[in-house]
Amino acid sequence: AQKITQTQPGMFVQEKEAVTLDCTYDTSDQSYGLFWYKQPSSGEMIFLIYQGSYDEQNATEGRYSLNFQKARKSANLVISASQLGDSAMYFCAMREGRRQAGTALIFGKGTTLSVSS
Amino acid sequence: DAMVIQNPRYQVTQFGKPVTLSCSQTLNHNVMYWYQQKSSQAPKLLFHYYDKDFNNEADTPDNFQSRRPNTSFCFLDIRSPGLGDAAMYLCATSPYEYSTDTQYFGPGTRLTVL
Repeated sequence: AQKITQTQPGMFVQEKEAVTLDCTYDTSDQSYGLFWYKQPSSGEMIFLIYQGSYDEQNATEGRYSLNFQKARKSANLVISASQLGDSAMYFCAMREGRRQAGTALIFGKGTTLSVSS
Repeated sequence: DAMVIQNPRYQVTQFGKPVTLSCSQTLNHNVMYWYQQKSSQAPKLLFHYYDKDFNNEADTPDNFQSRRPNTSFCFLDIRSPGLGDAAMYLCATSPYEYSTDTQYFGPGTRLTVL
């Protein structure tokens, strides 16, 4: 079973509108971290927001928020007031807490967001 | 600003010709990672260093090796690049190996193999 599922290959939104990118995850660990990254066409992976399994959250910019529903194992990214510069690939990723799980970030397949004027 | 730097941004090599990619960081993080990202795919971890302790992923080919001479620098060596090794190579760092630690990525090196 996939650990991270992003069901939207592509999303389209108009400038200044809000958009939600979906992410569900699968883990049996009590301690884990969930991350959202933005990857523009230039290739750099830019950290956006973090959600810990114990409810701590950290966002890099006020327009990003994370709708965390632990019982449903979902961690959706919400971008308010979309900007043209938000057009990019968005990855949801998880890191599990068990040492045996290693240190790798497990990524979903990504969602391409296109913002139009 | 503290950051992760990768050089070069674009690298072209010939089939079978060794190539080295470099990563440096000013974050003073203990952990450095190398990910491989092929076109239209998610990044995949190749290996990482916790300080000087090297940790290889089980399915990383022997063709890929790494060196970390000091806290700031980490290198990815591809001994005999094949056409299938063409990809974006991303370096990342984190303070520790905890699941709650954010990994910060560099801009990547896009490798072309001719």
